Amino acid sequence: GAGVSQSPSNKVTEKGKDVELRCDPISGHTALYWYRQSLGQGLEFLIYFQGNSAPDKSGLPSDRFSAERTGGSVSTLTIQRTQQEDSAVYLCASSRDRTYEQYFGPGTRLTVT
Amino acid sequence: AQKITQTQPGMFVQEKEAVTLDCTYDTSDQSYGLFWYKQPSSGEMIFLIYQGSYDEQNATEGRYSLNFQKARKSANLVISASQLGDSAMYFCAMRAPPSGGSNYKLTFGKGTLLTVNP
Repeated sequence: GAGVSQSPSNKVTEKGKDVELRCDPISGHTALYWYRQSLGQGLEFLIYFQGNSAPDKSGLPSDRFSAERTGGSVSTLTIQRTQQEDSAVYLCASSRDRTYEQYFGPGTRLTVT
Repeated sequence: AQKITQTQPGMFVQEKEAVTLDCTYDTSDQSYGLFWYKQPSSGEMIFLIYQGSYDEQNATEGRYSLNFQKARKSANLVISASQLGDSAMYFCAMRAPPSGGSNYKLTFGKGTLLTVNP
């Protein structure tokens, strides 16, 4: 079946602009995670959605970051007023349930100039 | 808090030989899960193998096996009969029960870059 998809695959933006990153999880997966991968910090957890429960936003680095998940499926990660330190690969993962293995999408490479 | 340590930034192996990638972890939880992911140059994280803390047998998936030594808190990945396509970054990750809520997020190590030579 189809895996996790993310769009765009690459995004170049100017400092100060807002960006939206999209994630389509595997159909039927109730848990969805966003991670960020950067050279200096490695892989970091950002935010977690489980079904219709309130998301766990404990990993978001600042209030410029937000995310939503509509209808328990597609998720959008929004970064407002982007900064150069936001440059990274943003990875989305989904799992059948929170206790199962996570399957990752191909990521969105964000470059802030 | 959980911590994963991968001490080998890079490893080289000859095609068809076996290679072991090291992973040690630190947690105070009794119940946890250990994962290995492969990240080729294309960027996608590919799930390889899982070991639960209460599993008595070492996990195996095809050419991948996990050498789980609970007392030493190590979870090394063994790749047998290496292939050129195995060249990639490999990440060890741990999932522990959440302290609150239901967030079973993964904590990752820094990764090991494996190069398979022909």
